[in-house]
Amino acid sequence: DIQMTQSPSSLSASVGDTVTITCRASQGISNSLVWFQQKPGKAPNSLIYGASSSQSGVPSKFRDSGSGTDFALTISSLQPEDFGTYYCHQYKSYPFTFGGGTRLEIK
Amino acid sequence: EVQVVESGGGLVQPGGSLRLSCAGSGFIFSDPHMDWVRQAPGKGLEWVARIRNKVNSYKTEYVASVQGRFTISRDDSKNSLYLEMNSLKTDDTAVYYCAVSYTGRPPFNYWGLGTLVSVSS
Repeated sequence: DIQMTQSPSSLSASVGDTVTITCRASQGISNSLVWFQQKPGKAPNSLIYGASSSQSGVPSKFRDSGSGTDFALTISSLQPEDFGTYYCHQYKSYPFTFGGGTRLEIK
Repeated sequence: EVQVVESGGGLVQPGGSLRLSCAGSGFIFSDPHMDWVRQAPGKGLEWVARIRNKVNSYKTEYVASVQGRFTISRDDSKNSLYLEMNSLKTDDTAVYYCAVSYTGRPPFNYWGLGTLVSVSS
């Protein structure tokens, strides 16, 4: 199975800040990676995938990078609505796996 | 508007069985693959199972921890997805989400609100 290691596990930042979340795959997954955002009590929502292919309606403030084993999600100009938990997910091979999540708290 | 609604969750004793359903609307149900993803209380996401579409012969995939205990199925004529869960363990306690995964795109394009399964004596 491909293990996805996300860091940090939690993050506190101020409005207007730029933050970066990283995700490392235990083996190469090309660019078969999606980033999800989840708000408390809600289902996850996909943000961006395959190196900057964003879902419809997702602001350009969300940027991803990486390929192979190392990936990053950068969120610029943080706003209060950006709080939540972010997950990376690989769909290169079964079983599909997720990172452990990064809880983003707005100061 | 694409919608999927899960049902069938509840409290069950260890070793028991439960059948989850997912009703789809607003899309051609037979087109996409369908997945179940779960989330234990306060924990992260775990993909559980996939059933591909008819074009791909309804082939199924499972995470190892449920292989042999859970069965995913679909009835395209009823716009419905199912998850038959047997020999339930306390570790299976989670919110179970139904997700729509269109071919040619990354998975989990649309999600339901989830249904809670609690396995406890």
